[in-house]
Amino acid sequence: NAGVTQTPKFQVLKTGQSMTLQCAQDMNHNSMYWYRQDPGMGLRLIYYSASEGTTDKGEVPNGYNVSRLNKREFSLRLESAAPSQTSVYFCASSEDGKINEQFFGPGTRLTVL
Amino acid sequence: AQSVAQPEDQVNVAEGNPLTVKCTYSVSGNPYLFWYVQYPNRGLQFLLKYITGDNLVKGSYGFEAEFNKSQTSFHLKKPSALVSDSALYFCAVTLNTGFQKLVFGTGTRLLVSP
Repeated sequence: NAGVTQTPKFQVLKTGQSMTLQCAQDMNHNSMYWYRQDPGMGLRLIYYSASEGTTDKGEVPNGYNVSRLNKREFSLRLESAAPSQTSVYFCASSEDGKINEQFFGPGTRLTVL
Repeated sequence: AQSVAQPEDQVNVAEGNPLTVKCTYSVSGNPYLFWYVQYPNRGLQFLLKYITGDNLVKGSYGFEAEFNKSQTSFHLKKPSALVSDSALYFCAVTLNTGFQKLVFGTGTRLLVSP
């Protein structure tokens, strides 16, 4: 099993450009999450999907959109990138949104110039 | 609102000595508590969790954590540190009702010297 995979690993954008971060899991998990990690701030939840067909805002959703394409895939889109969105982005999944641990992907390092 | 505090940015310990990484939490209700570890350029990995029951929770790689409700703490411990334990450690909390939305602490860097 590959677990949680993310593409791309690295990306540099100019202000105003758009891009989509891809995430897929092969563990048949129901719930998926997008986080951003910034120095000194830990991880903050951007959006989550409790189950296929549903998405909800997390702590810092502004400037982002998500799509739960199917049970395996959960993408994060930046419509008009800003320097404040420079961060490391992690996708995670869990069996359900109750007490099960989350499994994390390797991350995407995004720089917005 | 839920919150987690990890008061130490960095903890230094010599190999073979016991280690403690501190975590305190604030929730209005009963918590579920988690510890995750992050090695350089990697995603987070689950170490252990407290759901209910025994206050001492054992996890991966010889780590354990003690839930203390009166002190609202969930400190991570290991009796004998290894150099390979050097990493970034995150405490996280969620309420035990509804959908699990983890709130993470800011992380503590553990440095184990040979």
